[in-house]
Amino acid sequence: EAQLVQSGAEVKEPGDSLRISCKASGYSFNTYWIAWVRQMPGKGLEWMGIIYPDDADTRYSPSFEGQVTISADKSISTAYLQWSYLKASDTATYYCARPRGSNSHDAFDIWGQGTMVTVSS
Amino acid sequence: DIQMTQSPSSLSASVGERVTITCRASQGVGNSLAWYQQKPGKVPKLLIYAASSLQAGVPSRFSGSGSGTDFTLTISSLQPEDVATYYCQKYSGALFTFGPGTKVDMK
Repeated sequence: EAQLVQSGAEVKEPGDSLRISCKASGYSFNTYWIAWVRQMPGKGLEWMGIIYPDDADTRYSPSFEGQVTISADKSISTAYLQWSYLKASDTATYYCARPRGSNSHDAFDIWGQGTMVTVSS
Repeated sequence: DIQMTQSPSSLSASVGERVTITCRASQGVGNSLAWYQQKPGKVPKLLIYAASSLQAGVPSRFSGSGSGTDFTLTISSLQPEDVATYYCQKYSGALFTFGPGTKVDMK
């Protein structure tokens, strides 16, 4: 069974750096894109970006380009979302998600459980 | 960038009532349109992909239609467990924009 398991909740201060993770199992990690989705408290879903682990091809939403870095480590079937300088407005729940088809841009049928990130002084 | 809008932003309906949610894209997206359900405090769940294909395990009271710029999610007979926020998402052209969501609750 395909599954995405995310790292635990984080509490950080403004200006801190952070990397959260999404570990895949039950399918061929290298050949499925993995996306990141933000949900701010009480708000809707926002697509941030997506990576193809096999060749590290990465696409970002214009809203998030330059604000975060998406990466993947094929050796441990894990995708990452990274900030070098957190702001209070980064407080949100972050989901990783996998499209339906191998090497395709498709609807997201597998989701991680979410990682809550709180940025506060 | 293609923008997605949804209407209404919220609705209240009775058990057994037919519910329709509309999603509109600012440019054509073919049939590259998905619908998700998110219950409070839960992970989003895929309901419909390719505009009208029902995801495995999703009750048949959910259906989708449309192509190009105008799409519809229909719940044929609303059940208490359908209380949730529903999002459309376009996934053409390697950009995966979500709509703002429609909150559905019980009257």
